[in-house]
Amino acid sequence: DAKTTQPNSMESNEEEPVHLPCNHSTISGTDYIHWYRQLPSQGPEYVIHGLTSNVNNRMASLAIAEDRKSSTLILHRATLRDAAVYYCITGDSSYKLIFGSGTRLLVRP
Amino acid sequence: DTAVSQTPKYLVTQMGNDKSIKCEQNLGHDTMYWYKQDSKKFLKIMFSYNNKELIINETVPNRFSPKSPDKAHLNLHINSLELGDSAVYFCASSRLTGTPYEQYFGPGTRLTVT
Repeated sequence: DAKTTQPNSMESNEEEPVHLPCNHSTISGTDYIHWYRQLPSQGPEYVIHGLTSNVNNRMASLAIAEDRKSSTLILHRATLRDAAVYYCITGDSSYKLIFGSGTRLLVRP
Repeated sequence: DTAVSQTPKYLVTQMGNDKSIKCEQNLGHDTMYWYKQDSKKFLKIMFSYNNKELIINETVPNRFSPKSPDKAHLNLHINSLELGDSAVYFCASSRLTGTPYEQYFGPGTRLTVT
């Protein structure tokens, strides 16, 4: 499974967009890119996933670089509830999520 | 409605005891998982069952034994508990086909071994 690199922490102001980067330079052609987040004292929560094309859903957008070696999770308007640890995960169809240390997002009111 | 539920939410026990954590999902998923999150917050997969069959078994001590009586349940039994077993244990489930990796997690069981 490909290894991912994320900043340890990021800060944002409430109601501003947030761009969370992830590097996955060893990703293989069949690996998906997944994002999960973990709010304090809760289990991880699925956010979004993609393979090659950019993806949008009600929670966020995922922008994938053309060479697939990096991706960016975009929260369009951060709220206090978005303060969490965000995990970028890549992998094939083995159903196995390998979590790294993630990015802790702090949202300032 | 709770999608993935775990009981108990908190479990405090002494070294050497045997304990079980139960997990149930009402999503109709075929695959269920157990993860362990230690004090440093690293989340690691332990086991995965698909249709009651073990498909992922990471390097976990034999004292840990998952049991899946049916597709909706995956219980975790731990024998001879040790201090290092203290952690938060998360259960998760997903469909076997369709969206890959979209796993739904339970609220966690905080196990404290004294």
